[in-house]
Amino acid sequence: DTGVSQDPRHKITKRGQNVTFRCDPISEHNRLYWYRQTLGQGPEFLTYFQNEAQLEKSRLLSDRFSAERPKGSFSTLEIQRTEQGDSAMYLCASSISAEQFFGPGTRLTVL
Amino acid sequence: AQSVTQLGSHVSVSEGALVLLRCNYSSSVPPYLFWYVQYPNQGLQLLLKYTSAATLVKGINGFEAEFKKSETSFHLTKPSAHMSDAAEYFCAVSDHGQGGSEKLVFGKGTKLTVNP
Repeated sequence: DTGVSQDPRHKITKRGQNVTFRCDPISEHNRLYWYRQTLGQGPEFLTYFQNEAQLEKSRLLSDRFSAERPKGSFSTLEIQRTEQGDSAMYLCASSISAEQFFGPGTRLTVL
Repeated sequence: AQSVTQLGSHVSVSEGALVLLRCNYSSSVPPYLFWYVQYPNQGLQLLLKYTSAATLVKGINGFEAEFKKSETSFHLTKPSAHMSDAAEYFCAVSDHGQGGSEKLVFGKGTKLTVNP
């Protein structure tokens, strides 16, 4: 069990640029979640996959955000036309039961 | 809708003293409850979870929590604080078993400081 990994760990970008983050879940986990955490707050749910199907999206996930999980393995989260308000830690978690295992996160800074 | 309230955004204790971090939840269905710990610039690590079995739950690093349905609480305790316990702690609730995503709804967190 190598745990949940995320890449990159840090991303600095200029406003208006597109960014893509990757999450590799624990191999046998069929459920995958993305959360966003801003400074001083708890993580907030963004979206959920069961295998390759995206089954739930938060209203926080604007049209500029898109997530995929091809073949039910790794997942990507893309943000188009980034805004300064997108600066946050993006956390990925995977599970096979009630317990979710979190990755180390990708910290995004939009200048 | 589910929600979590963590009372006290900052808690400071002396090394060796009791740690008590408060969490109250709201849920329209029987909840599953979790405590996670986060160290700076890291992801979240599960401390313990309540999944409708024993109401007193023991976790890692000497932490435990008690589910009290009548008080809608799930407070986290540790008898004796250690310097390494300094971190941010998050309480979370999910609607496990209701056919949904079982996403976690988190509180705003409590930052624990341990003084020597």
